[in-house]
Amino acid sequence: GAGVSQTPSNKVTEKGKYVELRCDPISGHTALYWYRQSLGQGPEFLIYFQGTGAADDSGLPNDRFFAVRPEGSVSTLKIQRTERGDSAVYLCASSLTLGGTGELFFGEGSRLTVL
Amino acid sequence: AQKVTQAQTEISVVEKEDVTLDCVYETRDTTYYLFWYKQPPSGELVFLIRRNSFDEQNEISGRYSWNFQKSTSSFNFTITASQVVDSAVYFCALSEANNFNKFYFGSGTKLNVKP
Repeated sequence: GAGVSQTPSNKVTEKGKYVELRCDPISGHTALYWYRQSLGQGPEFLIYFQGTGAADDSGLPNDRFFAVRPEGSVSTLKIQRTERGDSAVYLCASSLTLGGTGELFFGEGSRLTVL
Repeated sequence: AQKVTQAQTEISVVEKEDVTLDCVYETRDTTYYLFWYKQPPSGELVFLIRRNSFDEQNEISGRYSWNFQKSTSSFNFTITASQVVDSAVYFCALSEANNFNKFYFGSGTKLNVKP
């Protein structure tokens, strides 16, 4: 499809395990964003990339969270030593350029459940 | 402090009723953007509108209209003649001049439109 693709759609893991969440943005979109959405809440900013570099990672909650975008396209959000509080839907979005135009295109999210 | 407040957690209306979703924001920047996004049950957020802080003109798009009032720091969204397909969670969001790419979302308003 032409939209933002996120895999897996659902991930159940045990506390302490390592997880990777993948985001495949719309082709040609240079900016990529990760947000986290807890139940009943709005999305919370984690990080965004312009090309390969993380332009702002101020939303990552701690050093267990890390994201990469090595070739400026697909991005992976990595969570080490998962905790129950990490359970949420992780949303990825992409846009053609930076600049807050508002035209962010979101994926359907990866639902992470930490038991 | 919460930058975007959506006080209405959930609203239920009957089809064809008009409904207004409230959004109050807080920022010290004179330049900022405000947005509304729709999140249907599938999970992906869909962009509806963007306004910049210098444009207080109200906007109408079909059954949708937006009322931006800087004096009350509000950016309310009205759906006229609601339809069942309008049922979703609606989020208001803010981005500020110091970082337009970091969006602050409200906690959302769940709209239930009953036939």
